[in-house]
Amino acid sequence: DTGVSQNPRHKITKRGQNVTFRCDPISEHNRLYWYRQTLGQGPEFLTYFQNEAQLEKSRLLSDRFSAERPKGSFSTLEIQRTEQGDSAMYLCASSFSPGEGYGYTFGSGTRLTVV
Amino acid sequence: DQQVKQNSPSLSVQEGRISILNCDYTNSMFDYFLWYKKYPAEGPTFLISISSIKDKNEDGRFTVFLNKSAKHLSLHIVPSQPGDSAVYFCAASAGGGSQGNLIFGKGTKLSVKP
Repeated sequence: DTGVSQNPRHKITKRGQNVTFRCDPISEHNRLYWYRQTLGQGPEFLTYFQNEAQLEKSRLLSDRFSAERPKGSFSTLEIQRTEQGDSAMYLCASSFSPGEGYGYTFGSGTRLTVV
Repeated sequence: DQQVKQNSPSLSVQEGRISILNCDYTNSMFDYFLWYKKYPAEGPTFLISISSIKDKNEDGRFTVFLNKSAKHLSLHIVPSQPGDSAVYFCAASAGGGSQGNLIFGKGTKLSVKP
């Protein structure tokens, strides 16, 4: 297993376009998380899944954001009608549940630039 | 309002000496705390954690101390090595270790000089 994989690594899009990111977690992990990180800040929680069920969503996740994990394996995060404020690093992580003792495993992220 | 605060944006330490990174929190419901290390162009990597029922946890060169009454935790790295140079994030959750939603601080950039 090569860890948590995120694609693409970089995405440049024009304002108003839709974008979709993919995350492939560690196969044995049943939990999958999405975070967003902007310059000079720590990661901010967006949402997480346990298997295919989306258990929690942050109020940061506006109506333009939607996440899915249809078969409890990979997940996609879609942003519709992108805005410049959406420019950030989008991080995916996975873990066992419960995960006490060793934290999440993060992917390397997808860097989104909205121009 | 930041619930997890890392008030030092940067720290510089000589190789072989101790690095002490600090973190304060405001939410008394937090019961599980973690430290992550991040290199440029990579995702954060889990380093060490501590439950609120403990006041110390040690793993090799890394020790985390928790002072619940002061709502303060610290990460000690002894001895510091140049490869430890990275951004360190403190994170907290109220999930009792189930870690549904972690709240991160802004990070402290550690530079270890040879």
